[in-house]
Amino acid sequence: QKEVEQNSGPLSVPEGAIASLNCTYSDRGSQSFFWYRQYSGKSPELIMSIYSNGDKEDGRFTAQLNKASQYVSLLIRDSQPSDSATYLCALLSGGYQKVTFGIGTKLQVIP
Amino acid sequence: DGGITQSPKYLFRKEGQNVTLSCEQNLNHDAMYWYRQDPGQGLRLIYYSQIVNDFQKGDIAEGYSVSREKKESFPLTVTSAQKNPTAFYLCASKGSTPHSGANVLTFGAGSRLTVL
Repeated sequence: QKEVEQNSGPLSVPEGAIASLNCTYSDRGSQSFFWYRQYSGKSPELIMSIYSNGDKEDGRFTAQLNKASQYVSLLIRDSQPSDSATYLCALLSGGYQKVTFGIGTKLQVIP
Repeated sequence: DGGITQSPKYLFRKEGQNVTLSCEQNLNHDAMYWYRQDPGQGLRLIYYSQIVNDFQKGDIAEGYSVSREKKESFPLTVTSAQKNPTAFYLCASKGSTPHSGANVLTFGAGSRLTVL
């Protein structure tokens, strides 16, 4: 089992819709969780971090964490064509603070 | 302006040659990381370091080496033992930034290595 699992997509949503991106993980000791956005040929940019169970909102983005079920999700409301990118889920674990990434989900927002 | 600088941006190497990728940060972060990304793939961890003079192997360390002699610098050497080195290499540091205000990874712009 991979440490961090994501569906590679592509996930296609119409402009203005809600995009839902999901991620599951295997290490129950994982401490922190992150969502990054990566445009083609560029480096990843942080969207949100989440550390405790529940929801965390920042503008159009909401991260959800459920440690009992070992999943973390990202909702993007009012999706825009500029949101089209690959979304990477990552987690931090271990005493040496290892940060592991999933394969990423490619999101396409259709105008 | 704080950030992470990777150089060179593009690098071409002949088979059998070692190359060193530079990563410098002025964010005063303790932890630094190297990742490799292949087309259509996520980021795979090569090496990481929490403090000066100490580092750990990641998931794909074979064929790579690092050093951490200074807090600001974490160079990666791609050795001739790395069988398929053509990839996009990303360096990151972990800590708080004015933008994030949290203990997160901040990435450099990346170095794209091509083996001829």
